Amino acid sequence: EAGVTQFPSHSVIEKGQTVTLRCDPISGHDNLYWYRRVMGKEIKFLLHFVKESKQDESGMPNNRFLAERTGGTYSTLKVQPAELEDSGVYFCASSQARQGLSIETQYFGPGTRLLVL
Amino acid sequence: AQSVTQPDIHITVSEGASLELRCNYSYGATPYLFWYVQSPGQGLQLLLKYFSGDTLVQGIKGFEAEFKRSQSSFNLRKPSVHWSDAAEYFCAVVFAMDTGRRALTFGSGTRLQVQP
Repeated sequence: EAGVTQFPSHSVIEKGQTVTLRCDPISGHDNLYWYRRVMGKEIKFLLHFVKESKQDESGMPNNRFLAERTGGTYSTLKVQPAELEDSGVYFCASSQARQGLSIETQYFGPGTRLLVL
Repeated sequence: AQSVTQPDIHITVSEGASLELRCNYSYGATPYLFWYVQSPGQGLQLLLKYFSGDTLVQGIKGFEAEFKRSQSSFNLRKPSVHWSDAAEYFCAVVFAMDTGRRALTFGSGTRLQVQP
């Protein structure tokens, strides 16, 4: 079974440009999460999709960030326009649908390393 | 406020020595606790998790962790470290299950170096 995949693995762009990150979750996983780790800081939650719906977007830093999950499969995270402070590693994670009161394990992708110059 | 603390940013141990990585959280109820590991160039891999029941949980790669409610801690241990254990380790917590929020809150990570 394929794991969570992310594309690209690295991206270097200039301030003011647009970048789109893609995440393909594990097949059949309804939950999809985006996190990011800014240099020297802890990994922070950005948002959570359940299928194609945004369940929780409380971690999105500002309106320069737009996440979509059309059809409830893969997801994209667009940063427009990118700023220097957006540099970091962006992780995607997925998990199965909730079973009763249980917590599902989140499986992480390798991350996309974004550098804004 | 809800938070997760890993007090040790960097730890160096000798191969074969025992290891304990500390994790503390701040929360009024029992959270859901995880340890992840990130090896160079890899994503985050789940080592173990605690939801309820036996407070000593076993994970992959010979790791274990113990939940201590009185100390709000979930420390990770391994009796004998191997060179391949060199990586960054993250404690992560799900708070506020009652509100349906399932986001992980991470500690700042502990980078482990293993000396031969």
